[in-house]
Amino acid sequence: AQTVTQSQPEMSVQEAETVTLSCTYDTSESDYYLFWYKQPPSRQMILVIRQEAYKQQNATENRFSVNFQKAAKSFSLKISDSQLGDAAMYFCAYRRVYSGGGADGLTFGKGTHLIIQP
Amino acid sequence: GAVVSQHPSWVICKSGTSVKIECRSLDFQATTMFWYRQFPKQSLMLMATSNEGSKATYEQGVEKDKFLINHASLTLSTLTVTSAHPEDSSFYICSASRAGVRTGELFFGEGSRLTVL
Repeated sequence: AQTVTQSQPEMSVQEAETVTLSCTYDTSESDYYLFWYKQPPSRQMILVIRQEAYKQQNATENRFSVNFQKAAKSFSLKISDSQLGDAAMYFCAYRRVYSGGGADGLTFGKGTHLIIQP
Repeated sequence: GAVVSQHPSWVICKSGTSVKIECRSLDFQATTMFWYRQFPKQSLMLMATSNEGSKATYEQGVEKDKFLINHASLTLSTLTVTSAHPEDSSFYICSASRAGVRTGELFFGEGSRLTVL
């Protein structure tokens, strides 16, 4: 079974600084997606960034970027110029893809609580 | 964008009663929907996969007779918690994948908080 590990229960960063959240995963599959989701106090899950395993290029979305190391099974999230609105729980997630086009549900890590210090 | 709506967002019920939670994809067709459960300060745990027109697939340890899932149309899946007990109190979240589109992205509902007295 696939597992996702987030080793940082909580991280704190000063506003405008950069922070990196760690994530490792374990799988024997070659085709999958990796995601970072943000869950604010409202508990609505918000997609931050997505990475397809077959793509070597690291995904980037404005201030958010990932460092995807497929061989090491590592998928860290870097948040640049941190803003107060970035404060939330961040979940790393894995999703297996099947050759027929179907896919499993998401397997989530335990989450990292990100605190932004003003 | 793709919108998924859950209803109700908050429900309180007495022990022994059943509660139904709806998950609707408002502007797309969803052949597959997923149900998750989240306890306070914990992560989301996949409960079951719901495919339109077929029986749901439950994760190990999830009681299929307690958590009844129906996916009768391409835009609606329901989760019924039968004979609810206080230990079933939790936050339930659904997600849906868009039919015919391979992006891997899942779209989440707002979640439903169940409190069983």
